[in-house]
Amino acid sequence: DIQVTQSPSSLLASLGERVTITCQTSQSISNNLNWYQQKPGQAPMLLIYYATSLQTGMPSRFSGQYSGRSFTLTITSLEPEDIANYFCLQHYSAPWTFGGGTKLELK
Amino acid sequence: EVQLVESGGGLVQPGRSLKLSCAASGFTFSDYNMAWVRQAPTKGLEWVASISYGGSNTHYGDSVKGRFTISRDNAKSTLYLQMDSLRSEDTATYYCARGSSGDYWGQGVMVTVSS
Repeated sequence: DIQVTQSPSSLLASLGERVTITCQTSQSISNNLNWYQQKPGQAPMLLIYYATSLQTGMPSRFSGQYSGRSFTLTITSLEPEDIANYFCLQHYSAPWTFGGGTKLELK
Repeated sequence: EVQLVESGGGLVQPGRSLKLSCAASGFTFSDYNMAWVRQAPTKGLEWVASISYGGSNTHYGDSVKGRFTISRDNAKSTLYLQMDSLRSEDTATYYCARGSSGDYWGQGVMVTVSS
């Protein structure tokens, strides 16, 4: 199985701050990685698909990049509604595997 | 609007069975592969099973193979997960997810396996 290492596991940030979360995969998956936002008691919501494409309806302050096996999710200017858990998913090969998640909190 | 709504969770004793459902709406269910994913308390996400859009192909994670069965009823736009021989380590929130890349997820249903 492809291993996905996500960092950091938790993050304190201030409103307006730039936030970056990273997922590293154990082998090349091309761009077959999604980013999700999850708030307590709610369904995970797709933010970024195929590493760099912004899901329709998601704010443009969210962006995704990748280089080789390293994938990043960036929030350019943190808003209060961005406080949530974030995780990545690789769907290049079965089984799906996930990053361990990042809990984003306000400083 | 795409919606996936899971149901059927609850408290069950070890060794017993439970069947989860995922009611889909807002899209043509029969056009999409579907999957179940779970998250145990304080643990990461784990893919459980997948099924092709027509239902003919299924795949399972090693931890549930031989105990869980994924199925679907395209006429009812509903996905199922039959869980047999449940163990304490199956305690988790179970999510259904759409497609081969998981673009939409349900809100999840809790399953607790305990005596």
